[in-house]
Amino acid sequence: EVQLVESGGGLIQPGGSLRLSCAASGFTVSSNYMSWVRQAPGKGLEWVSVIYSGGSTYYADSVKGRFTISRDNSKNTLYLQMNSLRAEDTAVYYCARLRLRHAFDIWGQGTMVTVSS
Amino acid sequence: QSALTQPPSASGSPGQSVTISCTGTSSDVGGYNYVSWYQQHPGKAPKLMIYEVSKRPSGVPDRFSGSKSGNTASLTVSGLQAEDEADYYCSSYAGSNNLGYVFGTGTKVTVL
Repeated sequence: EVQLVESGGGLIQPGGSLRLSCAASGFTVSSNYMSWVRQAPGKGLEWVSVIYSGGSTYYADSVKGRFTISRDNSKNTLYLQMNSLRAEDTAVYYCARLRLRHAFDIWGQGTMVTVSS
Repeated sequence: QSALTQPPSASGSPGQSVTISCTGTSSDVGGYNYVSWYQQHPGKAPKLMIYEVSKRPSGVPDRFSGSKSGNTASLTVSGLQAEDEADYYCSSYAGSNNLGYVFGTGTKVTVL
């Protein structure tokens, strides 16, 4: 079964760091475009970052310089390293696979990140 | 990277049709045929309903259809059913020049 399972969310103080993980099953992370999308409480979806199969990475302006997307091919896992966290980064973070010409076709269940003192 | 513009809400009675618009710019919606639509029920992850403007993934009912004209894409849900009540988001590829992807502001569809 094709599946994505996120982990690593939690409560963190402003300025702190957190690493989210997204374990994939049923397909190979490194052969696909993979992305992180977030959703603040009661708000809409916001694209955060993408890593292409060739390794190129791109970020939304709101997280550029603070977040880093990466993958571990041996573990078939996607990561999001989040540094210098701010209150406005509070959200459910979803990992998603990109296929079908730039469509997010598979989503994880999401992991909640709360940035608060 | 401004969000695509969607109406906050739309509604219809069971069996009727509802159409949701998604307006962007020539740098995203108007520049590529890579518009997709997502359905999200409360507390759940989004689900892909339409990709490449008008194509449906396997398993999505043909009551869902998509189109695009210029910088505006649209999603139509025909023969509304109670389970169609959800939030709907559009998304567009915005180019490889470090622009990535952009989502719409979201539309709450209510089945009256």
